[in-house]
Amino acid sequence: QQQVKQSPQSLIVQKGGISIINCAYENTAFDYFPWYQQFPGKGPALLIAIRPDVSEKKEGRFTISFNKSAKQFSLHIMDSQPGDSATYFCAASGGGGNKLTFGTGTQLKVEL
Amino acid sequence: EAEVAQSPRYKITEKSQAVAFWCDPISGHATLYWYRQILGQGPELLVQFQDESVVDDSQLPKDRFSAERLKGVDSTLKIQPAELGDSAMYLCASSLSPGANYGYTFGSGTRLTVV
Repeated sequence: QQQVKQSPQSLIVQKGGISIINCAYENTAFDYFPWYQQFPGKGPALLIAIRPDVSEKKEGRFTISFNKSAKQFSLHIMDSQPGDSATYFCAASGGGGNKLTFGTGTQLKVEL
Repeated sequence: EAEVAQSPRYKITEKSQAVAFWCDPISGHATLYWYRQILGQGPELLVQFQDESVVDDSQLPKDRFSAERLKGVDSTLKIQPAELGDSAMYLCASSLSPGANYGYTFGSGTRLTVV
């Protein structure tokens, strides 16, 4: 059972544009929602995370928007740069468990 | 910056052979995780250790996979015998305390190819 659904599978954005990746979850016990960035041949690295008591969190060019009633959250990358080209994973944890449940990933390519 | 060390980076093994992966977490991190990432998918937890004890191995295929963390520091994940479907990236992560919200740090992984 896939508990975290992520879309789109791939995304091409022009330099300077906004990249938007969406995730939806099923388990209402989840209480921590991180986003990870993964470059080829590397492990995932934590980018930004949010808890359900806030609707938005911003760190630099990266913003998470969270909609608790819809059980959805999204990552917005402002002023996208070629160096942002990577695979992005949303994830969730909580409900007494410690493990992260990951989405299927979005391969982002930022073109010049 | 502290890192999670994993070795080897790449491993090619024949079907039915045994293979082992090693992980050295960040110093002081009591919680250690092994994840498997199949190409094109997100990582999935195989096993979680708190110090030397297993706290979650519900997704570990115990007929062929084993994991240990004898002294509560470094850890070894073993597969015997390897099957073609085991081809994947095996990622180790550690955190200061249990719970993803304490911040996981992932290693660069071991890319396993079973032929």
